[in-house]
Amino acid sequence: DTEVTQTPKHLVMGMTNKKSLKCEQHMGHRAMYWYKQKAKKPPELMFVYSYEKLSINESVPSRFSPECPNSSLLNLHLHALQPEDSALYLCASSQDGQGAYEQYFGPGTRLTVT
Amino acid sequence: AQSVTQPDIHITVSEGASLELRCNYSYGATPYLFWYVQSPGQGLQLLLKYFSGDTLVQGIKGFEAEFKRSQSSFNLRKPSVHWSDAAEYFCAVVLGYGGSQGNLIFGKGTKLSVKP
Repeated sequence: DTEVTQTPKHLVMGMTNKKSLKCEQHMGHRAMYWYKQKAKKPPELMFVYSYEKLSINESVPSRFSPECPNSSLLNLHLHALQPEDSALYLCASSQDGQGAYEQYFGPGTRLTVT
Repeated sequence: AQSVTQPDIHITVSEGASLELRCNYSYGATPYLFWYVQSPGQGLQLLLKYFSGDTLVQGIKGFEAEFKRSQSSFNLRKPSVHWSDAAEYFCAVVLGYGGSQGNLIFGKGTKLSVKP
């Protein structure tokens, strides 16, 4: 099973709201990733967790706050977002975060900030 | 700077025709190579990967890709396209092992349209 699940599928939030995106995998992978994808663009890496520790933060604004409660779960907490943050947010996982293994992606959360 | 180039932004092929999507990378050593497909509003699905060994790799959905070191290319092929293959295709590389070298670097994507 190579499934990564993400909830919710769609999210609309105002600029003063606080919301969270959730990602889950049960493949025993030890690395999990958050990507942001704007329309007609490739995904852009935001964060990498390896063995439940944040290993890479690609200079993402602090209004995005990742959390990895355990090796199967990854959250992205959102607060005081801007309309330009509207995008498809993709979660991925791989056996490790060092690059030697392929990444498996979830279906994404379509976020709209109003 | 290291980069991945997909020269074709949009390709249209007739159903049943053959397909080749081009991908070139700019890097001194041989990276790990991947092709992903994305249907509208969906996540990315891994079609195939190349790490080492046989330079012709088979993937899912009848796709194959050939790694050519001399041309720094990893082109994706399918002998007969189906209407359901219409999607965005991304070539991606990983430059090495560890740290930011282990990150996926994506090409800009090629949109495939299929004519009936």
